[in-house]
Amino acid sequence: ETGVTQTPRHLVMGMTNKKSLKCEQHLGHNAMYWYKQSAKKPLELMFVYSLEERVENNSVPSRFSPECPNSSHLFLHLHTLQPEDSALYLCASSQALNSPLHFGNGTRLTVT
Amino acid sequence: SQQGEEDPQALSIQEGENATMNCSYKTSINNLQWYRQNSGRGLVHLILIRSNEREKHSGRLRVTLDTSKKSSSLLITASRAADTASYFCAPASGNTGKLIFGQGTTLQVKP
Repeated sequence: ETGVTQTPRHLVMGMTNKKSLKCEQHLGHNAMYWYKQSAKKPLELMFVYSLEERVENNSVPSRFSPECPNSSHLFLHLHTLQPEDSALYLCASSQALNSPLHFGNGTRLTVT
Repeated sequence: SQQGEEDPQALSIQEGENATMNCSYKTSINNLQWYRQNSGRGLVHLILIRSNEREKHSGRLRVTLDTSKKSSSLLITASRAADTASYFCAPASGNTGKLIFGQGTTLQVKP
């Protein structure tokens, strides 16, 4: 148990579907992050939230839409994805920006 | 923000041997962090070394930092099969929270 819980663990969706990934942290942290990990590629930082404000959008396509309703929850809303979006999506939290990250175990997404 | 570059890309050793991984970066940092990742799981934070520190220990882990060479190393002593994983460094600079990871070093420890 890492203190960061991601659901679902696995998700298969068609290109026309709409789905959401959920992340919840029980650590009292103030910052939350979405990363994408594709095979044979480095982790890609997607979004950073600090105190529920988005502080970083790393040139992510608009088919990925983050939402941070409070400091404990982070969502990634997905719509009209492409097969190349298939990847492991990792959520993380930290006490403050540049503090150590605590990762969840990820959602394995397959787009068919 | 900047990405750490780990070297070597892959390392295979026998149980009981030491493993050394290196990390290089390009610009000044506030701190540098090391993480490990077991296959298909999230990353786990191992150790953070601040820019004014030269060496730090945690159990069988030893991290060094040379800011003049913009490099860091992670040493795992007396390795175990359970140390088999990918290891990543992440240099932290500025205050944007942009922690960028490289390709990592894949370590295999053979029993």
